[in-house]
Amino acid sequence: EVQLVESGGGLVQPGRSLRLSCAASGFTFDDYAMHWVRQAPGKGLEWVSGISWNSGSIGYADSVKGRFTISRDNAKNSLYLQMNSLRAEDTALYYCAKGDGNGIATAGDYWGQGTLVTVSS
Amino acid sequence: SYVLTQPPSVSVAPGKTARITCGGNNIGSKSVHWYQQKPGQAPVLVIYYDSDRPSGIPERFSGSNSGNTATLTISRVEAGDEADYYCQVWDSSSEVFGGGTKLTVL
Repeated sequence: EVQLVESGGGLVQPGRSLRLSCAASGFTFDDYAMHWVRQAPGKGLEWVSGISWNSGSIGYADSVKGRFTISRDNAKNSLYLQMNSLRAEDTALYYCAKGDGNGIATAGDYWGQGTLVTVSS
Repeated sequence: SYVLTQPPSVSVAPGKTARITCGGNNIGSKSVHWYQQKPGQAPVLVIYYDSDRPSGIPERFSGSNSGNTATLTISRVEAGDEADYYCQVWDSSSEVFGGGTKLTVL
């Protein structure tokens, strides 16, 4: 059974940093791309970043480019999102999603339950 | 940047057919994925690559994509289908989601 468990969310002040993690199990992690998708309270889905199976292809939404960094450790079956210079508008539930293929342009066929990030002073 | 346009809401009676549209410039040239999200839950992929169904998704869910419009069709709608639905495409090195459509079962 595919499982994705996010962690690392919490309350953080504007301008500070936070690192999210996603622990994956139930599939061959290094065969698939992975994504971070967020959802602000009461709003729709917003893609944040994606990374191919071997980290050779990475993409970011314009809203986070230059502030967020996605990475993965295939030996640890883990996905990460380093978030710097956080803003109030980054407040959201952050989901980790498994791609349905090894490239970055993939559908998210399994999703975690999300970790909540609140940016506020 | 690429924009996907969905109607904010669609209402349908039980047993009828619901159609949720996703508009985008020449979207027919792209692969469209659809997600269902119920309150308090993570999204679930219901249609990918325009019209394929993941395992476990009922045959009542189908998809099409042509020209400037992709459509998610739900036949014989049930109360349990009430949810938000999102379309998604890949464009110019980023994923793009539509704004979402709330499906209400009357």
